[in-house]
Amino acid sequence: KAGVTQTPRYLIKTRGQQVTLSCSPISGHRSVSWYQQTPGQGLQFLFEYFSETQRNKGNFPGRFSGRQFSNSRSEMNVSTLELGDSALYLCASSPELTGTDTQYFGPGTRLTVL
Amino acid sequence: AQTVTQSQPEMSVQEAETVTLSCTYDTSESDYYLFWYKQPPSRQMILVIRQEAYKQQNATENRFSVNFQKAAKSFSLKISDSQLGDAAMYFCALNSGGSNYKLTFGKGTLLTVNP
Repeated sequence: KAGVTQTPRYLIKTRGQQVTLSCSPISGHRSVSWYQQTPGQGLQFLFEYFSETQRNKGNFPGRFSGRQFSNSRSEMNVSTLELGDSALYLCASSPELTGTDTQYFGPGTRLTVL
Repeated sequence: AQTVTQSQPEMSVQEAETVTLSCTYDTSESDYYLFWYKQPPSRQMILVIRQEAYKQQNATENRFSVNFQKAAKSFSLKISDSQLGDAAMYFCALNSGGSNYKLTFGKGTLLTVNP
């Protein structure tokens, strides 16, 4: 079974631009979560989607948004990019994400904002 | 709110030796799940081991085992017979279930394995 895939793997943008990152979960997995990883803040939860519904959202500004499609693929969007948005963005999938589910991570998208 | 603390930013171990990584957590939930993830340099995060809080028995996966002390809210990872491929950043994570639908991670411990 193929793992979680994320595209693109690397991205360079300038301040003020917007960016869209894509995540394809493991086949059969319906829950997709997004995390931001930075050296200073570590891994921080962005949001989680299940069956096209956002069930939880982390403490990030409204510039960060996401969505999930009927095939469980997910995208996240960051508008009006700031230098501090430079990070590794990780997507994780699980069958449903209850306490019993393990999250499986993709390789990440490395975003650099200049 | 749930928190996870890893007090050892870096650790090193000799090949074939044993090392223990520490993790403490806090949650008000009674039903929760704990995980150790490994992130090798420039590589994907993978699950090492998981522990259900309701289970008293400590989880083991080959050379990896945990010491789960529920009353102390402690969840340490022991790596036996360390190998060069074990070198990575190790993250402790908590999922307190319910309607949280998220993992809360510690800051990580960078493990170096010396030949």
